[in-house]
Amino acid sequence: EIVMTQSPATLSVSPGERATLFCRASQSVSSNLAWYQQKPGQAPRPLIYGASTRATGIPARFSGSGSGTEFTLTISSLQSEDFAVYYCQQYNNWPPFLTFGGGTKVEIK
Amino acid sequence: QLQLQESGPGLVKPSETLSLTCTVSGGSISSSSYYWGWIRQPPGKGLEWIGSMYYSGSTYYNPSLKSRVTISVDTSKTQFSLKLSSVTAADTAVYYCARQRPSYCSGTTCYSYWFDPWGQGTLVTVSS
Repeated sequence: EIVMTQSPATLSVSPGERATLFCRASQSVSSNLAWYQQKPGQAPRPLIYGASTRATGIPARFSGSGSGTEFTLTISSLQSEDFAVYYCQQYNNWPPFLTFGGGTKVEIK
Repeated sequence: QLQLQESGPGLVKPSETLSLTCTVSGGSISSSSYYWGWIRQPPGKGLEWIGSMYYSGSTYYNPSLKSRVTISVDTSKTQFSLKLSSVTAADTAVYYCARQRPSYCSGTTCYSYWFDPWGQGTLVTVSS
């Protein structure tokens, strides 16, 4: 099983600042990685797939990078609506397996 | 626009079987380009993939849940369902259904599936 580790667990950022979130895979997943945003009481919302391609309607301030085992989600200038929990998910060996990371909570500093 | 909606009992007794249905609207569940999956989230915790299926009936399950999970599809009703047997309090969670879509296709073969869109989720509590 490929284990996805996200860091930090919590990130405190002021509005307007840059936020950088990390996701590490226990073995290479190529570019088969997605990022999701989840706000309280809501379903996860897809942000990025293929490690760096923004999903439909996602603002340009969200960007993804990386390949292999190391990935980064960057929010260039945090807006109030961006404070949420972010999950990475690998789908390199789909089917039959896929796994989520444990999440990073981005909170207001 | 494709929409998914989970439905089913919000309370299940320990040792019984949890049954949920996901109704798909605005698109076909019979498309060969997609998989259809279930994901859960215990209160205050992260996301856990439960399993997925292809319209043809092929199924794929999380190894940690495989012995208790059954996912099936009813293409005529544009629904797919989840059954989780012998539940305990540890199965209390919000359950989401979602479509798995490919990042790209080459000819008739598609690759690199990610979840989009998701249903709104339904809370299932296991308690006597």
